[in-house]
Formats: sequence, structure tokens, C-alpha cells
Amino acid sequence: GAGVSQTPSNKVTEKGKYVELRCDPISGHTALYWYRQSLGQGPEFLIYFQGTGAADDSGLPNDRFFAVRPEGSVSTLKIQRTERGDSAVYLCASSSMGLAGPSYNEQFFGPGTRLTVL
Amino acid sequence: SQQGEEDPQALSIQEGENATMNCSYKTSINNLQWYRQNSGRGLVHLILIRSNEREKHSGRLRVTLDTSKKSSSLLITASRAADTASYFCATVDGNSGYSTLTFGKGTMLLVSP
Repeated sequence: GAGVSQTPSNKVTEKGKYVELRCDPISGHTALYWYRQSLGQGPEFLIYFQGTGAADDSGLPNDRFFAVRPEGSVSTLKIQRTERGDSAVYLCASSSMGLAGPSYNEQFFGPGTRLTVL
Repeated sequence: SQQGEEDPQALSIQEGENATMNCSYKTSINNLQWYRQNSGRGLVHLILIRSNEREKHSGRLRVTLDTSKKSSSLLITASRAADTASYFCATVDGNSGYSTLTFGKGTMLLVSP
């Protein structure tokens, strides 16, 4: 079956512009995660959705970042007034459940969107 | 924020040799996982070890966990050129109840033919 897909694969924008990054999770997965990976670093958590609601958005760096998942499937990460420091690979992952219980559900990652802010 | 550190930051070995990578973390965990990443893109889940486990095997991979030292190691035996990649450990917090991952900075492994 299809894995997690992300579009676009690459996005180049100018400082101050608005961008939207899209994530299509694996069908039926209720949990969806966004991570950001800067060059030479490990991914850093941004936000976690359980269904349509953001269960944990503690990783969003500031209020320029916002994410939605209106129907509990596709999610869009939105960045306003982009800055050069926002340049990174944005990774999306999904899993069948998001709770850390005895039955762990593996997160499956998409290929990422490489965002470059000039 | 990053949970901890992997060491070494980079490792270069010959095919057939074993590769060992270490990971340290800071908080209590529910489980610890190792991921592989090629070319700075998609992450592939390799193995998961729970906080009450000490050792786990999967094919050529062996993972150990020492919760008293808050550390883990990943051993790849009989390495192949195709194992060249970045390897990350990631932890699931033991208190939050959520499965969000906190990654280390990774080890870049180069396996030469």
C-alpha cells in the first residue's frame, strides 16, 4: 500500500513569504506528526495530531507556525512570514495510534519537504 | 530540543567489520528506537527496545539498553556498503503518554567496500 507522502518535495521561497506543506498519511492512521530537521541535526518534534485535533503542539517554535488536519487525514503545515532560519527538511509521520502504551505503534515517515528560504 | 547525543558523530569502517554506535538520553523513557536515514530524507525504523528490556536482536542488528546509565548502543554486524547512512536514536517519553519521538543528533556511518 501507499506510504506517507509529502508535497512538494522541494520548496524555495523568499524571506517574508507564506508557505504550505502538505502531508498525506497512511490511510487509516489516526496519529500524525510533524518534525523539522536542520542540516546535520536529528529531527525535532513540532506537532502531533490525534484525529483532527492537535494533541501536542509544544514543539512549534513560534506563532508563525500553524498546522491543521480538518478531516483527520491530510495535514497542512503553514508557515507565515518565513525566515532564513526556517530552512530545513520538514518530515511528516503517521501511526495507527499515538499513545505510548504497551502496544507501541510504529511511526512511518514520509520523504520530507526541503524548504529553502532565500 | 534534542534528547541526547550519539557517539561517534561519524564512523568509517570496511565491509565485513562491525559498527557500534552509542546513544545517551536525559529523561525517563517508555521505549527507545533506532532509525536509519539515507541522503537526509526518509527515516526508516530499524528496531525498538522497551524500557524494561535490556537487549534486542533483529537480523544483523543488536540493541542494548541500560536505563541506569540512560544509554543505548546499536551494533551492526558484518557491515555492508549498503549500510552507509545516518543512524539516529529516538526516545518516547515515559511520562507524557504520547508517542512523539525525541531524536539525537545521529551518527554518520560510512562502510567502504
